[in-house]
Amino acid sequence: NAGVTQTPKFRVLKTGQSMTLLCAQDMNHEYMYWYRQDPGMGLRLIHYSVGEGTTAKGEVPDGYNVSRLKKQNFLLGLESAAPSQTSVYFCASTPSRGGAQETQYFGPGTRLLVL
Amino acid sequence: QQQVKQSPQSLIVQKGGISIINCAYENTAFDYFPWYQQFPGKGPALLIAIRPDVSEKKEGRFTISFNKSAKQFSLHIMDSQPGDSATYFCAARGAGGYNKLIFGAGTRLAVHP
Repeated sequence: NAGVTQTPKFRVLKTGQSMTLLCAQDMNHEYMYWYRQDPGMGLRLIHYSVGEGTTAKGEVPDGYNVSRLKKQNFLLGLESAAPSQTSVYFCASTPSRGGAQETQYFGPGTRLLVL
Repeated sequence: QQQVKQSPQSLIVQKGGISIINCAYENTAFDYFPWYQQFPGKGPALLIAIRPDVSEKKEGRFTISFNKSAKQFSLHIMDSQPGDSATYFCAARGAGGYNKLIFGAGTRLAVHP
């Protein structure tokens, strides 16, 4: 099992450009999350999904959109990137039931620099 | 608005010493308190977790102490090793379901040999 994978690992954008970050998990987890990590701020939840075709806003959703067309994939989109979106983005997933349902499994992260 | 306050921001400990990281929360509806460990360039990984009906949980050299009345919990790393050098995040799960976590700001631990 690859677990949670994220693509790309690193990206540089110019202000106003758009991009999509891809998260994929092969653990058949129902719940998936997107976080951003900034120095001194910990991890903040951007959006999350509790199943295929469903998404919901987290703590800091502005400027981001998400889609979950397939259970294993959770996409994070930036329509018009801003320097304030420079961050490290992490995806995580959790099963909805079972012994591991309280553990969030994280991907390796995507480092995004917006100039 | 940070609902989980973590301290210190950084910590330096000598090999063999005890590392202590503290967290405080306000929302009494939180029902699960995990600690995540993150090495440079990697994603966070669950280290240890506790529920509010337990005052202490120990797993190897790692112990969580939980004080429900004070709304505080802490991570103790006994016999700290250089391999423990990482960033540690405390977190709390809200009552809204779907295993959503609120993370503290993180503590960067350096264990010197």
